[in-house]
Amino acid sequence: GAGVSQSPRYKVAKRGQDVALRCDPISGHVSLFWYQQALGQGPEFLTYFQNEAQLDKSGLPSDRFFAERPEGSVSTLKIQRTQQEDSAVYLCASSRDSWNEKLFFGSGTQLSVL
Amino acid sequence: ELKVEQNPLFLSMQEGKNYTIYCNYSTTSDRLYWYRQDPGKSLESLFVLLSNGAVKQEGRLMASLDTKARLSTLHITAAVHDLSATYFCAVDSLQMRFGAGTRLTVKP
Repeated sequence: GAGVSQSPRYKVAKRGQDVALRCDPISGHVSLFWYQQALGQGPEFLTYFQNEAQLDKSGLPSDRFFAERPEGSVSTLKIQRTQQEDSAVYLCASSRDSWNEKLFFGSGTQLSVL
Repeated sequence: ELKVEQNPLFLSMQEGKNYTIYCNYSTTSDRLYWYRQDPGKSLESLFVLLSNGAVKQEGRLMASLDTKARLSTLHITAAVHDLSATYFCAVDSLQMRFGAGTRLTVKP
């Protein structure tokens, strides 16, 4: 596609529910990032993939968060047993190469945990 | 741990005025990025600065990078209402770490 696509755009979950957020990066992009953005804050790094390899997952806030990119294209961020503090916008970004000269961001998934 | 600090966090300007947003970071990096975010929207890349002394300009915005001082500036010239948005700097040092953002409002 023309840009980074994320789905769903909005997700409402009950506390304790599992959710899966999808990111379709720009075709052929090597690098893929996940960020968490709380209201009025800057994006906080969660994890980074280079192709299918997860090179950095140090930003994942707990073991309830899990990300994968099995074929080096589409990525899924899974949050198990959601908590209210997980409510945020989850942004995905991709770049053409590992040099990360320019990141292209998706529109994000707004997650609300009730 | 890499820290990225922006100031000011909030900026209200009159149209036609000039102002500078500052971005300080705590560790060595040769790559710094500026992004714009409109309310409810995602981030749009403005500038990528890849070396010490780099200066880039687009319209009324000019960004510069001093890697020795670990400082980048985003200068706004003759502000117009359309520039109202939140501006983020980000530093690439293993992770792409963002500042808290500067929320700019340009008033007529």
